[in-house]
Amino acid sequence: SQQGEEDPQALSIQEGENATMNCSYKTSINNLQWYRQNSGRGLVHLILIRSNEREKHSGRLRVTLDTSKKSSSLLITASRAADTASYFCATDGSGNTGKLIFGQGTTLQVKP
Amino acid sequence: DSGVTQTPKHLITATGQRVTLRCSPRSGDLSVYWYQQSLDQGLQFLIQYYNGEERAKGNILERFSAQQFPDLHSELNLSSLELGDSALYFCASSVVAGGQSEQYFGPGTRLTVT
Repeated sequence: SQQGEEDPQALSIQEGENATMNCSYKTSINNLQWYRQNSGRGLVHLILIRSNEREKHSGRLRVTLDTSKKSSSLLITASRAADTASYFCATDGSGNTGKLIFGQGTTLQVKP
Repeated sequence: DSGVTQTPKHLITATGQRVTLRCSPRSGDLSVYWYQQSLDQGLQFLIQYYNGEERAKGNILERFSAQQFPDLHSELNLSSLELGDSALYFCASSVVAGGQSEQYFGPGTRLTVT
């Protein structure tokens, strides 16, 4: 079963614009991760944010986490055509395992 | 390239058959995970092994089984295949057993059951 939902399901923007994707989850977490998947290929890890962190940056990526609202957002600034992909948030399940529970994903299209 | 390898890349088989998917984790990673990605269910965690031992179990059907060998490679066995088992199967690996580190995903095996 999915941990939560991502919003929007699909997003289409022009190159150079910013893209914001949101993720909501249901249970308490230790950390939340964002992954990117190019069409039909393996997932690539983007960023991990711990439950005691509120914001994290990595290059053109900015992730926020609001544990009181059980939500996170991923911002991609100055988007490029190469950013076209599906983006998933994933939370760790209960217990000390690496089990990841993925959202449904946001499909981002960046038009050149 | 994540360093995780999966074979085969594609597999086409008939209902009722049995297949084995293979995964080699990144060098040094002790933990291996299996995920299934389908259009209707999305990305689902199946099972995790850590240093040869089963660590966590998710929505894995009884017809499916997995193991991790002493050299840390892992195999996912799918038997009595049904049309609904058609999906992308991903293997991932990480250094630690817990969720405090990122997972590195292989390219996946696309299984088509006809």
